Amino acid sequence: DAGVTQSPTHLIKTRGQQVTLRCSPISGHKSVSWYQQVLGQGPQFIFQYYEKEERGRGNFPDRFSARQFPNYSSELNVNALLLGDSALYLCASSSLPRSTDTQYFGPGTRLTVL
Amino acid sequence: SQQGEEDPQALSIQEGENATMNCSYKTSINNLQWYRQNSGRGLVHLILIRSNEREKHSGRLRVTLDTSKKSSSLLITASRAADTASYFCATGQVGSEKLVFGKGTKLTVNP
Repeated sequence: DAGVTQSPTHLIKTRGQQVTLRCSPISGHKSVSWYQQVLGQGPQFIFQYYEKEERGRGNFPDRFSARQFPNYSSELNVNALLLGDSALYLCASSSLPRSTDTQYFGPGTRLTVL
Repeated sequence: SQQGEEDPQALSIQEGENATMNCSYKTSINNLQWYRQNSGRGLVHLILIRSNEREKHSGRLRVTLDTSKKSSSLLITASRAADTASYFCATGQVGSEKLVFGKGTKLTVNP
């Protein structure tokens, strides 16, 4: 069975640009969560969607937004990129509705902002 | 902000030895989870222990939870070079919809 997939693997952008990251959950999983992991730190929660509705939001500015599609895949958008947005962005899916349940992570998208 | 704090930050052992990592947290939790991450890639779920459980085993892994001390430990027995990775604890806090990760322990197992 395929695990969580994310695209692209790597991305380089310049300050002020916008970026869209994509995630496909494990088949049958209806919950998708997004995390940001800065080098040397643990992942930080950004959003959780369950059944296409936002269930949770972390302490991130409004430049970060996300959505979930009818097939439960998800996109994370970041506008007006800053140097500090450089990080590994992780997507996780779960068969259970809470973001505090066991999460299955994808390989991540490494975003570099120059 | 990060809830859990792993200790030590880095640990280097020889193959065959046991590795123990600790996690402390600050608020009441519903569960505590341990994840492994290899080389800055995706995290792999290892084990989940609920707040009403004290100990849990999975293969070579043993996790304990002491809610009175707000701490947990992860023991990896008979370590292998393939166990080299960063290990994170994550807490499911009461009244919160987010999983909060610590900064991790970097484990190196030397062959």
